[in-house]
Amino acid sequence: AQSVTQLDSHVSVSEGTPVLLRCNYSSSYSPSLFWYVQHPNKGLQLLLKYTSAATLVKGINGFEAEFKKSETSFHLTKPSAHMSDAAEYFCVVSTLTGGGNKLTFGTGTQLKVEL
Amino acid sequence: DTEVTQTPKHLVMGMTNKKSLKCEQHMGHRAMYWYKQKAKKPPELMFVYSYEKLSINESVPSRFSPECPNSSLLNLHLHALQPEDSALYLCASSQNRGRTEAFFGQGTRLTVV
Repeated sequence: AQSVTQLDSHVSVSEGTPVLLRCNYSSSYSPSLFWYVQHPNKGLQLLLKYTSAATLVKGINGFEAEFKKSETSFHLTKPSAHMSDAAEYFCVVSTLTGGGNKLTFGTGTQLKVEL
Repeated sequence: DTEVTQTPKHLVMGMTNKKSLKCEQHMGHRAMYWYKQKAKKPPELMFVYSYEKLSINESVPSRFSPECPNSSLLNLHLHALQPEDSALYLCASSQNRGRTEAFFGQGTRLTVV
């Protein structure tokens, strides 16, 4: 069975400082991992994905994540936070089943960016 | 075009009403999904259509009824809903090979009164 654990339910940073959102996964085989962002009352937007190619993955809006198999982690980072980054972030693992791709979501991390 | 379009954006309905949510994608994806999302929670999978075959989350009540008229369209028919069904309903689509990402619509904010 696949699962993801987001270690922080809330993260608060100052504008211009680095962002770190933590995610650990559990998978019986090489996983596909994703980070999605959700602004209030909006759908989920894909930030970046890891699908067994390069372990350092670059996404949109300056975000990146590093897949570390030895640590079973896929942490999301950004060098400098912007006010517009304030949102809910979900770490997701994908499993292919007979019924299509099954996405297993972490519980989410609320990112707050302060002036 | 990487867009999934959902209509309506907002819906208020009474407990005796019948309404439908609509979802459309033109990415050639053969898998489409309905999710329910309560406030401050991750999305919960309700239904999957993969190559127009339905898979159901057994915990979803029968007052929710999905329909897939073709590979680009997905509807969710609502009947005799309860106030606790108020939530954001998200449609998504994906390729049906490999462990690929899903593309989400903007959601329908449903309020049951």
